[in-house]
Amino acid sequence: AQSVTQLDSQVPVFEEAPVELRCNYSSSVSVYLFWYVQYPNQGLQLLLKYLSGSTLVKGINGFEAEFNKSQTSFHLRKPSVHISDTAEYFCAVSEWGGGSYIPTFGRGTSLIVHP
Amino acid sequence: DTGVSQDPRHKITKRGQNVTFRCDPISEHNRLYWYRQTLGQGPEFLTYFQNEAQLEKSRLLSDRFSAERPKGSFSTLEIQRTEQGDSAMYLCASQTGLVGETQYFGPGTRLLVL
Repeated sequence: AQSVTQLDSQVPVFEEAPVELRCNYSSSVSVYLFWYVQYPNQGLQLLLKYLSGSTLVKGINGFEAEFNKSQTSFHLRKPSVHISDTAEYFCAVSEWGGGSYIPTFGRGTSLIVHP
Repeated sequence: DTGVSQDPRHKITKRGQNVTFRCDPISEHNRLYWYRQTLGQGPEFLTYFQNEAQLEKSRLLSDRFSAERPKGSFSTLEIQRTEQGDSAMYLCASQTGLVGETQYFGPGTRLLVL
C-alpha cells in the first residue's frame, strides 16, 4: 500500500528566501507524483506532476520538484518565495487500483511567508 | 474557479439526519472522485466513477456513505444517520479518462454535524 509523508507540518520563511517542502512516499509499484496547493478558502490546485521522463519537473508559479527514486522523495522547491505563496501544500502519490490511479495525499505543509 | 462546482458549500445538520451533496464536474470529464478532508489532514479518497460506473467504493468510510452518478454527469454523495465524526470538508474532483491527467477540484462542501 502506498503512503505519503510530509516531514514538516509548518514551514515559516521570509519573503524572497528559497524554500523546500519535503515529501517522501512508499509504494511497491510505479507511481505518479503530484504537488497541490490550497489557498485559504479555495479548492486544491495542481502545482506540478511527475509521470515519467525527466526527474526535474517544473510547475506553475515558479515551483519545481525533483523525483528521486532511490530516496523515494519528491521535494518541492522555489528559489524565491512571495507573500502570495502562503498556503497549504499537499504531496500526493497515485498507485494503480480499480482500473485507475487512486491518489493518497500527505497531511500537508503550511507555508507561511513573512514580509 | 476550476469549473467543478459543489452544492451546498456549507451544511449544518443534527446527528442522525441524512445529508446529500452534489458535484457537477467539468462537462467533458468522465472520471469523478470524492474525497473527505478533515482539519489538519490531506484529502482522503472515498470513491470514484468512470462515467456512470462506480469503479472503486471499498474505501467509503462505512455503509452509511453512498454515492451515485446516474447519467455520467453530476454525482451525489449521501451520508445517512450522520454522526459528529462525519464533520469534515467533502471534496469532489474530475478529470478526463487519460492516465495521469490532472484532477480538478471543486471548492468543497463543509459539513458540521451537531
